Amino acid sequence: AQSVTQLDSQVPVFEEAPVELRCNYSSSVSVYLFWYVQYPNQGLQLLLKYLSGSTLVKGINGFEAEFNKSQTSFHLRKPSVHISDTAEYFCAARNTGGFKTIFGAGTRLFVKA
Amino acid sequence: EAQVTQNPRYLITVTGKKLTVTCSQNMNHEYMSWYRQDPGLGLRQIYYSMNVEVTDKGDVPEGYKVSRKEKRNFPLILESPSPNQTSLYFCASSPSRGRLDTIYFGEGSWLTVV
Repeated sequence: AQSVTQLDSQVPVFEEAPVELRCNYSSSVSVYLFWYVQYPNQGLQLLLKYLSGSTLVKGINGFEAEFNKSQTSFHLRKPSVHISDTAEYFCAARNTGGFKTIFGAGTRLFVKA
Repeated sequence: EAQVTQNPRYLITVTGKKLTVTCSQNMNHEYMSWYRQDPGLGLRQIYYSMNVEVTDKGDVPEGYKVSRKEKRNFPLILESPSPNQTSLYFCASSPSRGRLDTIYFGEGSWLTVV
């Protein structure tokens, strides 16, 4: 992967509303794709990953993401967010034959009551 | 419990005073790396190591050194820190090259250089 672009730096949303965090990547070869979550004052945790197979990937805490090869996107979705989902979310990509992971700049999700 | 441990978690230091941030993992992982996180820039890789005594530069290596004398430890050394190295630093580890699909991160080290 050459680059990962997260299209929104901040996303405010009300509790129980759906949310989509957008991610696009650029690469001339096949990639693995990841979403990580960072809660305040903590390290990054893996939410979900796409390695191969089904393009719809389900992760922890009710999140899912869809790999779209033609649009080079890997958007993260949740149908109903909770206050506890407030965190920063990072999209990442790695070439299938490589070992370096490229991270996006992050999207800060604010869930309001 | 599988973990990556960094120390110190918080540090304020002065320009030019050498410091070391330690990193240790208990998962017998071969691959370890250091990242810095800055607002609007995400995580950028500083250095990485494929195994003991094998290290290489990442995207932003200037001003940093690393060593990998043991498999579990991967310290980050700032020989002469400058204010532009004020950042949040993460150490990370992964299983062998064929299974680099999951990265385990430490909790981060906040470094302020004044």
